[in-house]
Amino acid sequence: EADIYQTPRYLVIGTGKKITLECSQTMGHDKMYWYQQDPGMELHLIHYSYGVNSTEKGDLSSESTVSRIRTEHFPLTLESARPSHTSQYLCASSEYRDTDTQYFGPGTRLTVL
Amino acid sequence: GQNIDQPTEMTATEGAIVQINCTYQTSGFNGLFWYQQHAGEAPTFLSYNVLDGLEEKGRFSSFLSRSKGYSYLLLKELQMKDSASYLCAVMDSNYQLIWGAGTKLIIKP
Repeated sequence: EADIYQTPRYLVIGTGKKITLECSQTMGHDKMYWYQQDPGMELHLIHYSYGVNSTEKGDLSSESTVSRIRTEHFPLTLESARPSHTSQYLCASSEYRDTDTQYFGPGTRLTVL
Repeated sequence: GQNIDQPTEMTATEGAIVQINCTYQTSGFNGLFWYQQHAGEAPTFLSYNVLDGLEEKGRFSSFLSRSKGYSYLLLKELQMKDSASYLCAVMDSNYQLIWGAGTKLIIKP
């Protein structure tokens, strides 16, 4: 069973606020990922990391940033939240091989008013 | 473009068998994953296929045909707790996962 944590689980904020979504894993996995998922829709990759000091952009990265200073920690920051950011944000991690299974955290449900 | 197709919703009866299909068109292929996602929760891993054929794991089996760009997830002896969405995802030539929108499975008593 994967040990990957996300905080907060739920967040309601106003437009224009800066927010950081936290993600931590205790498995020593090299790779970490951020996905966005709307109800009934597919997951979209926002950012990913191969390891410490490595960050890469996915399909929906233009309005957010990430950092990977420690292996276990991969926070996602929205500099100025907008109603279009309202969604479920899922963090995942996997071991070092490219085809390794991704294990997901419980998600953060974000609502921007 | 890259595309994953699965039925939006399926209904089945408790104790029965159901097959959820997934067809894909992607730039390259490095394996196909099936995940289960209960409403409001995170996806959990079910299976991984990279070679043609059937992989059996308890009540769940997954089949792959790379030449047809086709996979299915077979669920036997359905239980009420199997009510969930089932996500098909293909790993492309860049080792990125391309996700389907999921199939919502409704189990009736």
